[in-house]
Amino acid sequence: GNSVTQMEGPVTLSEEAFLTINCTYTATGYPSLFWYVQYPGEGLQLLLKATKADDKGSNKGFEATYRKETTSFHLEKGSVQVSDSAVYFCALRAGANSKLTFGKGITLSVRP
Amino acid sequence: EAQVTQNPRYLITVTGKKLTVTCSQNMNHEYMSWYRQDPGLGLRQIYYSMNVEVTDKGDVPEGYKVSRKEKRNFPLILESPSPNQTSLYFCASRGTATNYGYTFGSGTRLTVV
Repeated sequence: GNSVTQMEGPVTLSEEAFLTINCTYTATGYPSLFWYVQYPGEGLQLLLKATKADDKGSNKGFEATYRKETTSFHLEKGSVQVSDSAVYFCALRAGANSKLTFGKGITLSVRP
Repeated sequence: EAQVTQNPRYLITVTGKKLTVTCSQNMNHEYMSWYRQDPGLGLRQIYYSMNVEVTDKGDVPEGYKVSRKEKRNFPLILESPSPNQTSLYFCASRGTATNYGYTFGSGTRLTVV
């Protein structure tokens, strides 16, 4: 079946540090890949997405590239801010039933 | 504003007392889904619906029911809640394009005592 594996957390960074959150996946066919962000007390928001190999999704300074050869979709940001503190979920969708399969999520805390 | 609306936001109930969590979307989306979020487990799909009167089980459907009588509404029903259903629940919807992500509601925090 489909699965998403995220690096273990939590992650604590200082403001303006470089961020990488690893995500790898297992799926049949050619999934669409997503990063969702959950700010404290809120629902999930779509952060970025990529639908085919070598696509790069980007939003709010975050980027992730769909790497089919390594089955990865790592999230990066060059300079994090305190306001980026949230839980980040990697997810994929493959197949006709449109189910989103999520990783376990990772909590990012950015200190001033 | 395009959104998914869940109610209530918070609910405390007792074991065995039937409850319904409502979900409504105003985007004319075909697909709707319910997820539960638990610490260390991420989000797991409970049920989903591909259109009116078309529903199917997700990964953790036991103890839950759903219905899709209208396109905009997708209520989650707990006929006899138990403490292991204490969780944070999210409703989500999306349109038919294959590269669309889901739009999520704000969540319902349910506590069963």
